[in-house]
Amino acid sequence: KAGVTQTPRYLIKTRGQQVTLSCSPISGHRSVSWYQQTPGQGLQFLFEYFSETQRNKGNFPGRFSGRQFSNSRSEMNVSTLELGDSALYLCASSSSKEGRSYNEQFFGPGTRLTVL
Amino acid sequence: AQSVTQPDIHITVSEGASLELRCNYSYGATPYLFWYVQSPGQGLQLLLKYFSGDTLVQGIKGFEAEFKRSQSSFNLRKPSVHWSDAAEYFCAVGAGNAGNMLTFGGGTRLMVKP
Repeated sequence: KAGVTQTPRYLIKTRGQQVTLSCSPISGHRSVSWYQQTPGQGLQFLFEYFSETQRNKGNFPGRFSGRQFSNSRSEMNVSTLELGDSALYLCASSSSKEGRSYNEQFFGPGTRLTVL
Repeated sequence: AQSVTQPDIHITVSEGASLELRCNYSYGATPYLFWYVQSPGQGLQLLLKYFSGDTLVQGIKGFEAEFKRSQSSFNLRKPSVHWSDAAEYFCAVGAGNAGNMLTFGGGTRLMVKP
């Protein structure tokens, strides 16, 4: 089975722009989660989507949004970019069922976003 | 809310020596616990997980971890470290009633001396 793929791998933007990152989960996985990793704040949970619905949300401003498509692929969008949004954005997929029991997550290689 | 503490930011061990990375968690119920490893520029790879049952869990690459409820700890161990184990290690806790949200510790960077 192919692993979690994320595109693009690297991205450079300037302040005020917006960006869209994409994630394709492992085939058959219906849950996709997004994390932000920075040297100062570490790994922080952004949000989780399951069956096209946002199931959980972390403590990030509304500039950060996401969506999930019927094929489970997910995108996250950051509007009005700030310097502090420079980070590695990781996507993880899981075979989570309808109930909220935890399932292990498989991570993609990440998208490195640099905001100038 | 759950939290995870990894007290050691950096650890250096000699190749062939044993390793223990510490992890303490805070969570009101029985947690789901994980150790992940991250090599530079890469995503996270799951080393092992604890959901329930036997408190000593075995993982990949010769790693093991022991869940100690009384100490709220889930320390990672390896009897003999290889140079290829140099990486950053993250402990994480997942709450069973909160979907797939993981709370991570700050990470421990492991360096291996030849």
